Amino acid sequence: GAVVSQHPSWVICKSGTSVKIECRSLDFQATTMFWYRQFPKQSLMLMATSNEGSKATYEQGVEKDKFLINHASLTLSTLTVTSAHPEDSSFYICSARDGLSSGNTIYFGEGSWLTVV
Amino acid sequence: DAKTTQPPSMDCAEGRAANLPCNHSTISGNEYVYWYRQIHSQGPQYIIHGLKNNETNEMASLIITEDRKSSTLILPHATLRDTAVYYCIVKAGTASKLTFGTGTRLQVTL
Repeated sequence: GAVVSQHPSWVICKSGTSVKIECRSLDFQATTMFWYRQFPKQSLMLMATSNEGSKATYEQGVEKDKFLINHASLTLSTLTVTSAHPEDSSFYICSARDGLSSGNTIYFGEGSWLTVV
Repeated sequence: DAKTTQPPSMDCAEGRAANLPCNHSTISGNEYVYWYRQIHSQGPQYIIHGLKNNETNEMASLIITEDRKSSTLILPHATLRDTAVYYCIVKAGTASKLTFGTGTRLQVTL
């Protein structure tokens, strides 16, 4: 199946700093990518939809100035958590839609653990 | 997108078939049924999807009822590594996002 790669797999940062997470589709072009957040023992919550070459669409309640999303190419989207605080500690997961596949299948990355101390 | 209903948990003995049900009674004609699973601390893994016909791949089989109001994911020979949360999601092919419910926690035991 198609491969989506995230980097880093885990990161620890200090409160007030910013951290960037990369999401790459390795063997297909993704005009649309998605960013999710998952807290322990909860389901995945969609944060935003990232479209190549245009501004991301954020879900209700997600601060666009805090979670900066850039989708500059057909294979790369980045999520930057700005001025991170301990409550931003979570599992962040990206996914990418393969528009050429049957049903526009969406594939997920391995996820990135963020710990803010 | 149509909502889905799954049992919160299931057990299966290793080597036996695991049959995971999903109800999607409000599914529309252009909506696909997707199955993903999430093993602890990993991103969701795509398993299979279908529109009307039954589907099979190297991981699983998907059986969709004729009226499309329910489906069953079948893992033919479950192993301990199949222990995960399984999500059934209904989405139109042209629609963008996947919305996750609570899924079914499958525990495969010796």
